[in-house]
Amino acid sequence: DAKTTQPPSMDCAEGRAANLPCNHSTISGNEYVYWYRQIHSQGPQYIIHGLKNNETNEMASLIITEDRKSSTLILPHATLRDTAVYYCIVRGFGNEKLTFGTGTRLTIIP
Amino acid sequence: GAVVSQHPSRVICKSGTSVKIECRSLDFQATTMFWYRQFPKKSLMLMATSNEGSKATYEQGVEKDKFLINHASLTLSTLTVTSAHPEDSSFYICSAPGVSSYEQYFGPGTRLTVT
Repeated sequence: DAKTTQPPSMDCAEGRAANLPCNHSTISGNEYVYWYRQIHSQGPQYIIHGLKNNETNEMASLIITEDRKSSTLILPHATLRDTAVYYCIVRGFGNEKLTFGTGTRLTIIP
Repeated sequence: GAVVSQHPSRVICKSGTSVKIECRSLDFQATTMFWYRQFPKKSLMLMATSNEGSKATYEQGVEKDKFLINHASLTLSTLTVTSAHPEDSSFYICSAPGVSSYEQYFGPGTRLTVT
């Protein structure tokens, strides 16, 4: 699976949109981009995934660049409960393994 | 959504003893489960893939004789840390793939402290 690069930490004001970038320049054609988050001392939680089209669900939006080499996770109205480590993971279709990188520690500031 | 549980949530044991951690899929069956270890302020590291009815597959550098994995049924996998040492103190997390190919459900984790 392709490697991802994320900033180690970010701050965002409560109520504002949090935009978390991820670089996956070596992604191949059959690999999906997944986002998980881990709140302190809990198991990771699935957020969203996509292949090449932008995706939106009740938690977030995922914007994938046309060349698929990078993506951005958007939390539209961040709350204090969104403080967590966010992991961007690239995984091939049918591969059940998830390989976690270092992630981005997002802190929502009141 | 599907739920994965772990038991115990916290355990403290003495050096040299063995500790068993259970991972259960509560409302779905899982022929495969994954075990991760996470040290403080670090990312999750995949330790092994637990396979129902067959031997676990261990990641490079993980001692299979130290971390015994048994996938006894379609809803239960256990990880036994044998002859635990203080350096085995960590947060152990399991996960199981859901019905959809993209879903993977994580347990709440087990914090092991070896004294």
